[in-house]
Amino acid sequence: TQLLEQSPQFLSIQEGENLTVYCNSSSVFSSLQWYRQEPGEGPVLLVTVVTGGEVKKLKRLTFQFGDARKDSSLHITAAQPGDTGLYLCCTNDYKLSFGAGTTVTVRA
Amino acid sequence: EAQVTQNPRYLITVTGKKLTVTCSQNMNHEYMSWYRQDPGLGLRQIYYSMNVEVTDKGDVPEGYKVSRKEKRNFPLILESPSPNQTSLYFCASSLLGLNTEAFFGQGTRLTVV
Repeated sequence: TQLLEQSPQFLSIQEGENLTVYCNSSSVFSSLQWYRQEPGEGPVLLVTVVTGGEVKKLKRLTFQFGDARKDSSLHITAAQPGDTGLYLCCTNDYKLSFGAGTTVTVRA
Repeated sequence: EAQVTQNPRYLITVTGKKLTVTCSQNMNHEYMSWYRQDPGLGLRQIYYSMNVEVTDKGDVPEGYKVSRKEKRNFPLILESPSPNQTSLYFCASSLLGLNTEAFFGQGTRLTVV
């Protein structure tokens, strides 16, 4: 059983549309990280959220950590083909534990 | 350039033939770990190491061995590979601590026939 549940598993949208992916758990976490993995590459860290209710922005990407620190979301505004990839949430308390990921495809 | 280097990138082998996947990092990181990535399962940790000569099992250690004789290197050893170890493998390194950034290698795609 995955500690972190990510949804949806797959998401395909047209360039310019918005999208949101979710990372949920029944456990409380001190923090969550989001990584993006492009085909043929290893994951790369996008952001770390540490405070309940925290919102962080990275250009067109908005990350939110739930008030109860059990869930997180990633919202992409006006998606571009370069946003295509596998988005992974994980906890990092000396050991990385990943969700299964959401595969995002942005069609030109 | 700061990086984690894995070799080889691709490997096809036969059941039972011992193999080693190498991993090296140039960032002086204490923490190194190995993951396998399978469709629908995300990344699962195989083994990790918090420093030289300190290693421990992750979530899926069966069939794998590791060693950490030097800080920069963390090889993954499959003594007797089986087809269920066909997977995409990643090595990662980071500073030791909470919420540190993990740096990943480019992956090794292993096929055991």
